[in-house]
Amino acid sequence: TQLLEQSPQFLSIQEGENLTVYCNSSSVFSSLQWYRQEPGEGPVLLVTVVTGGEVKKLKRLTFQFGDARKDSSLHITAAQPGDTGLYLCAGEESGGSNYKLTFGKGTLLTVNP
Amino acid sequence: NAGVTQTPKFQVLKTGQSMTLQCAQDMNHNSMYWYRQDPGMGLRLIYYSASEGTTDKGEVPNGYNVSRLNKREFSLRLESAAPSQTSVYFCASTLGKLRNTIYFGEGSWLTVV
Repeated sequence: TQLLEQSPQFLSIQEGENLTVYCNSSSVFSSLQWYRQEPGEGPVLLVTVVTGGEVKKLKRLTFQFGDARKDSSLHITAAQPGDTGLYLCAGEESGGSNYKLTFGKGTLLTVNP
Repeated sequence: NAGVTQTPKFQVLKTGQSMTLQCAQDMNHNSMYWYRQDPGMGLRLIYYSASEGTTDKGEVPNGYNVSRLNKREFSLRLESAAPSQTSVYFCASTLGKLRNTIYFGEGSWLTVV
């Protein structure tokens, strides 16, 4: 099983600050996804990155896939309390089943007003 | 549009009891999944069904069985519940392969005492 390690595990910041969370592996992934999960709900897909070096922006969120397709980052600019939640990365195994995702353990973000 | 619907939302079982978690999607998706989420462990795949009529084991299948009843429905059965199966269970579906958007249900909280 390919491991995805997320850091930090917990992050508590003030509204308006910037932050970056990381998702790292020693293995290569065909694609990588980022999800946001709120308490009592299922994860919601934010973005899928496929190409090494790819950068995608979703309003104040910027996602980057590493050149070697082993790592990814999520950067949030001017965080807001509504950004609070569990952020999960998930990777599709390179050369593996097209139906299995490996999830990281998540980064729990709290944005204080 | 209901998306992915799971029942029940909450359940308490005694060790050794059996139960079935039901999942239905109304998006005409081909692939369906069952995950469990435990504190500090992230999401782990139990079983998946790439298409109607097929099922395959995921990362943690022991103690579970599944049935892809039709294209809409994918159920998860615990034949003899154990305390280690206390968890939050999520059903998910996608149109086909993983690069399509995956939709998760709201989760089923299961406690085995």
